[in-house]
Amino acid sequence: EVQLVESGGGLVQPGGSLRLSCAASGFTFSTYWMHWVRQGPGKGLVWVSRINSDGSSTRYVDSVKGRFTISRDNAKNTLYLQMNSLRAEDTAVYYCVREVGLRFDYWGQGTLVTVSS
Amino acid sequence: QSALTQPASVSGSPGQSITISCTGTSSDVGGYNYVSWYQQHPGKAPKLMIYDVSNRPSGVSSRFSGSKSGNTASLTISGLQAEDEADYYCTSYTSSSPFVFGTGTKVTVL
Repeated sequence: EVQLVESGGGLVQPGGSLRLSCAASGFTFSTYWMHWVRQGPGKGLVWVSRINSDGSSTRYVDSVKGRFTISRDNAKNTLYLQMNSLRAEDTAVYYCVREVGLRFDYWGQGTLVTVSS
Repeated sequence: QSALTQPASVSGSPGQSITISCTGTSSDVGGYNYVSWYQQHPGKAPKLMIYDVSNRPSGVSSRFSGSKSGNTASLTISGLQAEDEADYYCTSYTSSSPFVFGTGTKVTVL
């Protein structure tokens, strides 16, 4: 059974940092491209970042470029999102998502990040 | 990259059919057959319902169907049921940012 379990969310002050993790199981993690998608409170889904299967290529939505870094450890079957210089508008549930054929077929349960003083 | 445009809400009675539109541009919806649709119940993670415009993953009811014309994709739910009440989001591959989501549509079963 495919499972994606996010962790690392919490309350952080504006300007602070947080690292999210996503533990993957039930599939060959190293062969899939992975994404982070976020959803602000009461708001819609927003694509945040993508990493290819071996970690050599990454992409970001403009609003997080230069502040967020996506990475992965295929030996540990884990996806990461390092978030720096956090702003109030980054407050959201962050989902770890598996991509296959340009669609998102499995989603984690999400981890809540709250940026507030 | 601007979000794809969806109606904020759509409603229907049990047994009826409803259609949700998703409007983009020639750089996303109109340029690629990589539109997918997701269902999200409150407090839950989204679930893939349609991919590549009109394909259903195994396990998704045949009451859900997708189509596309020009820059607008559509999701149709036929034989509306109470369990279909949820938020629905479209997404498309794009020529700039890899993906863009729609603004979301709340489906209410009257």
